[in-house]
Amino acid sequence: QQQVKQSPQSLIVQKGGISIINCAYENTAFDYFPWYQQFPGKGPALLIAIRPDVSEKKEGRFTISFNKSAKQFSLHIMDSQPGDSATYFCAASTYNAGNMLTFGGGTRLMVKP
Amino acid sequence: DAGVTQSPTHLIKTRGQQVTLRCSPISGHKSVSWYQQVLGQGPQFIFQYYEKEERGRGNFPDRFSARQFPNYSSELNVNALLLGDSALYLCASSLAGGYQETQYFGPGTRLLVL
Repeated sequence: QQQVKQSPQSLIVQKGGISIINCAYENTAFDYFPWYQQFPGKGPALLIAIRPDVSEKKEGRFTISFNKSAKQFSLHIMDSQPGDSATYFCAASTYNAGNMLTFGGGTRLMVKP
Repeated sequence: DAGVTQSPTHLIKTRGQQVTLRCSPISGHKSVSWYQQVLGQGPQFIFQYYEKEERGRGNFPDRFSARQFPNYSSELNVNALLLGDSALYLCASSLAGGYQETQYFGPGTRLLVL
C-alpha cells in the first residue's frame, strides 16, 4: 500500500519559474512531513520539513504548503534554477515509528536554462 | 566532518548468493537506518538500529537482516538473492533515531542481481 502519493513523476520548468510538487497521504497518524532532494549518485538530503500545526513553512526559495483536512502537502520552488535539477521526495512519519520515513515515489525536476 | 559512508559502492551478485553491505554513520550518531531504493521509486524503510538494538523493521522478508556494532557502524545482510533485490541500498544516520530527527543519508550501495 502506497501511503504517500507524489505527483508529477517528472517536471520541466524554465529558469526563473515556479516548480510545484504535490503529495497526498492516507495515514492520518502521519504528523511530520519532510522533503528530500537527491542528486544523481548521491543519497537524499533533507531540504525542508513541516509539522501539521502550521499551514506553510518557507526557507529561502523553498516553501511547503500543508492542508491537513485534504491530507495534502506541496513543495514550491520559487525562481527555479538549473542547479535545482534533481529528484525530490516527499516523506512522512509518525510519532510512534521512531524516525522511520515513508517516502513518496519521487519527482524528477529539470530546470531549463 | 565526514558524512555517512557506505561500502562497497557497487556490487554484482547472482541469484541465490548472499551479500553484506556496510555503513559507517556520522561521528557521534548512534542510530542507523537502512532503506531500499528501487530504480525510479522512493526509498523504502528496511531496518532501524539504535545502540545495537533493532528499533524498527519494515515489510521485508526474513532474508534481510542487519546488525549494529559497538562503534555504531552497521551491516545489512541479504540472503538467497532474488532479481528483485536489485536496488540502491541507502544507509542513514541520526543522533538517536528519535522522532523528527534529521536523517543523513550516505551515497548508497548499488546492488545488481543477475
